[in-house]
Amino acid sequence: DAGITQSPRHKVTETGTPVTLRCHQTENHRYMYWYRQDPGHGLRLIHYSYGVKDTDKGEVSDGYSVSRSKTEDFLLTLESATSSQTSVYFCAISGTAQSNNSPLHFGNGTRLTVT
Amino acid sequence: GDSVTQMEGPVTLSEEAFLTINCTYTATGYPSLFWYVQYPGEGLQLLLKATKADDKGSNKGFEATYRKETTSFHLEKGSVQVSDSAVYFCAQGGSEKLVFGKGTKLTVNP
Repeated sequence: DAGITQSPRHKVTETGTPVTLRCHQTENHRYMYWYRQDPGHGLRLIHYSYGVKDTDKGEVSDGYSVSRSKTEDFLLTLESATSSQTSVYFCAISGTAQSNNSPLHFGNGTRLTVT
Repeated sequence: GDSVTQMEGPVTLSEEAFLTINCTYTATGYPSLFWYVQYPGEGLQLLLKATKADDKGSNKGFEATYRKETTSFHLEKGSVQVSDSAVYFCAQGGSEKLVFGKGTKLTVNP
């Protein structure tokens, strides 16, 4: 177990409300990622981080923001949730400082429903 | 850009049947290649990987060989079990982030 905890595991929210998902790791890994998983699309990268306060956009970043103020936590925020953001969100971590090509370790996901 | 294409599912097999899930990639350079598996209600787990041409990754009876000439990394297992029912994702990684295929759902019936 790579020591990744996602919270909450399930959330139902209304359109237009802000939502923050949290990913916490105990492995001191450098890289952290947020993906969403949707039928017919597989996994799509939203944002990722390569260090504290260092983040970059993925392929589906519109409507999402992230923050990483310390190594162990990576937050994903939906400023104003929309129904199209109903999905399962996965956090993943990888690598040590010496490697940027090691496998990803995933959390168990957060199921978000926007009504 | 970099991409991964894997066979559409779902795939349904009987126990002890032979499994092949095709995966091809497009990339600049020579990325590492991965197969991940997702069981119901869980996150993805690394199944196997290969980091250079002609490498064979293997784990739990599954195998895949890195074929540079055909840009492929097909997943195979000689005799599947009911417990292999899951969604399988092919992925490639040559830089800071992985690119995933869309996943192939496998169901194995007793």
